[in-house]
Amino acid sequence: NAGVTQTPKFQVLKTGQSMTLQCAQDMNHEYMSWYRQDPGMGLRLIHYSVGAGITDQGEVPNGYNVSRSTTEDFPLRLLSAAPSQTSVYFCASSSLSGGDNQPQHFGDGTRLSIL
Amino acid sequence: QKEVEQDPGPLSVPEGAIVSLNCTYSNSAFQYFMWYRQYSRKGPELLMYTYSSGNKEDGRFTAQVDKSSKYISLFIRDSQPSDSATYLCAMSEGNTGFQKLVFGTGTRLLVSP
Repeated sequence: NAGVTQTPKFQVLKTGQSMTLQCAQDMNHEYMSWYRQDPGMGLRLIHYSVGAGITDQGEVPNGYNVSRSTTEDFPLRLLSAAPSQTSVYFCASSSLSGGDNQPQHFGDGTRLSIL
Repeated sequence: QKEVEQDPGPLSVPEGAIVSLNCTYSNSAFQYFMWYRQYSRKGPELLMYTYSSGNKEDGRFTAQVDKSSKYISLFIRDSQPSDSATYLCAMSEGNTGFQKLVFGTGTRLLVSP
């Protein structure tokens, strides 16, 4: 059981470039989400999904796109990178099944720097 | 004003001390409360979670929720150098379960041998 796997671990981009941050989980969790962590701000929710084909916006969605074609994968796309998107990005997942919500488990993050 | 406030520290204690970490919040709809531990360059690791008010104990860790004061605490007994990390509190509203978390900024804890 690998849990939540994020790739890449580090990335440097130039302003205006696009890229996709990958997130995969092997726990068959319905719920997946993306957060960004910035100094003095805590983690903030970008987008989330309650199952394949269903996504919704969180607190800071601008500049990011997501899709959920499978239960396992939840990629985050930066359409045109801006220096303000320099951050550490965390993916998380949890089970919603059986009417019993469970807390989220996080990956180890992708450190993204935009020049 | 942030929905969840947490002192960033650092909080420095000697090994064996009792540590108290706290968060205050303003949203009375919060019903789910979590504590995560985060080591440097790692993701948050779930420590404890509670629903609504009350206490929960797990080994050296005790989580308390006081909804009347909008205040939650994490106590660590017999602290160890391996407890040195950043501790994040997180909360969510009753209608969203443990999803759509709102985090504090984290408190950095340093336990010296």
